[in-house]
Amino acid sequence: QVQLQESGPGLVKPSDTLSLTCTVSGGSMHPSYWTWIRQPPGKGLEWIGYVHSSGNTNYNPSLKSRVTMSVDTSTSQFSLNLRSVTAADTAMYYCARDSDFWSLDHAFDYWGQGTLVTVSS
Amino acid sequence: SSELTQDPAVSVALGQTVTITCQGDSLRSYYASWYQQKPGQAPLLVIYGKDNRPSGIPDRFSGSSSGSTASLSITGAQAEDEADYYCNSRDSSGKHMVFGGGTKLTVL
Repeated sequence: QVQLQESGPGLVKPSDTLSLTCTVSGGSMHPSYWTWIRQPPGKGLEWIGYVHSSGNTNYNPSLKSRVTMSVDTSTSQFSLNLRSVTAADTAMYYCARDSDFWSLDHAFDYWGQGTLVTVSS
Repeated sequence: SSELTQDPAVSVALGQTVTITCQGDSLRSYYASWYQQKPGQAPLLVIYGKDNRPSGIPDRFSGSSSGSTASLSITGAQAEDEADYYCNSRDSSGKHMVFGGGTKLTVL
């Protein structure tokens, strides 16, 4: 059973960089699409993007200029960096596994519990 | 605004059948996946592909698709099905993922 756990600061200052890590346990990171999804308080889900176990990335066009994702399969971790944050980036951030992004049977089948990140001075 | 449109709220009487819909042009080419989210919890995959249920999801949950509309049906809704439901599929470019705005299901 694959398990994911997010970690990182719960408070980030405006204009700073939000950095989160997701640790994967209970299964191999190969080959999968490791995804970040966020949810502002009281609002819906937003796909941020993925990093494939090979290192390839694909980002939401609305966030692409500020987002970088990376993966380290030796430590079973992948990460999210979101630059120049504002209050609008305050959200619960989830990491998830995408079973196969390019498949018709695509799904986010495993999720972390989420970590709340607040952007405030 | 999302490229996938869901009704904000739907209600169903206990034991009855309810259908939650998701509309978007990309659904003519791609299946939707569906997620249940209860307060304070991470989303949970309930339906994916043509009509596939992950292990542990009750068979009262089913999915279908027609044209630009994907549907999630719950046959014999239970009190524990009260939750927010989100659809997910590709955007109009086919290269990225988007979520619907979510539907709050109330079981009366």
